[in-house]
Amino acid sequence: DTAVSQTPKYLVTQMGNDKSIKCEQNLGHDTMYWYKQDSKKFLKIMFSYNNKELIINETVPNRFSPKSPDKAHLNLHINSLELGDSAVYFCASSQDSGTEGTEAFFGQGTRLTVV
Amino acid sequence: GNSVTQMEGPVTLSEEAFLTINCTYTATGYPSLFWYVQYPGEGLQLLLKATKADDKGSNKGFEATYRKETTSFHLEKGSVQVSDSAVYFCALKGSYIPTFGRGTSLIVHP
Repeated sequence: DTAVSQTPKYLVTQMGNDKSIKCEQNLGHDTMYWYKQDSKKFLKIMFSYNNKELIINETVPNRFSPKSPDKAHLNLHINSLELGDSAVYFCASSQDSGTEGTEAFFGQGTRLTVV
Repeated sequence: GNSVTQMEGPVTLSEEAFLTINCTYTATGYPSLFWYVQYPGEGLQLLLKATKADDKGSNKGFEATYRKETTSFHLEKGSVQVSDSAVYFCALKGSYIPTFGRGTSLIVHP
């Protein structure tokens, strides 16, 4: 049973298109994240949701919009894709609610290529 | 804000060599510290963690000790294997958001 699953694993699309990446976790965690990993492996936090509420939105273009229909899902929608959006996007989750010391569990990543 | 600094790679070693990857952090309060590993084409997996000063995390022959006085959490392994080739990330977590270092690529040759 996959703990954090993302779909699709690969996504190739043209500039200007709109696309979505889905993420689901079956761990019962209350916090979910989206990270962007560039070609040098640098991980940048994009969004974090706690119990379906947005708690952090780093400097990300507003073409990126997260949606959390329930605690177990955090989807990422991207409008008007640009070449610079090409990267690997990771979804992750953790159990928080004020508890420190809890690790994040990561999905397998979605490799987005914009052509 | 919180930040993590780790040594740049790649680190290239022969099999059975000793490994150290340095990690230092800046944080308010008393964060938990982690090492994650990313194998090619995969997501990050937790390798080990420590939740308070002087704690030692260990797993699969890897170790790291939470040193509050030097704000460090260096990763060590006594004898690396080819299968340890991966990217290693040091991370901390105080409140909700895990903060990651830039990652260190390890290449182990037979």
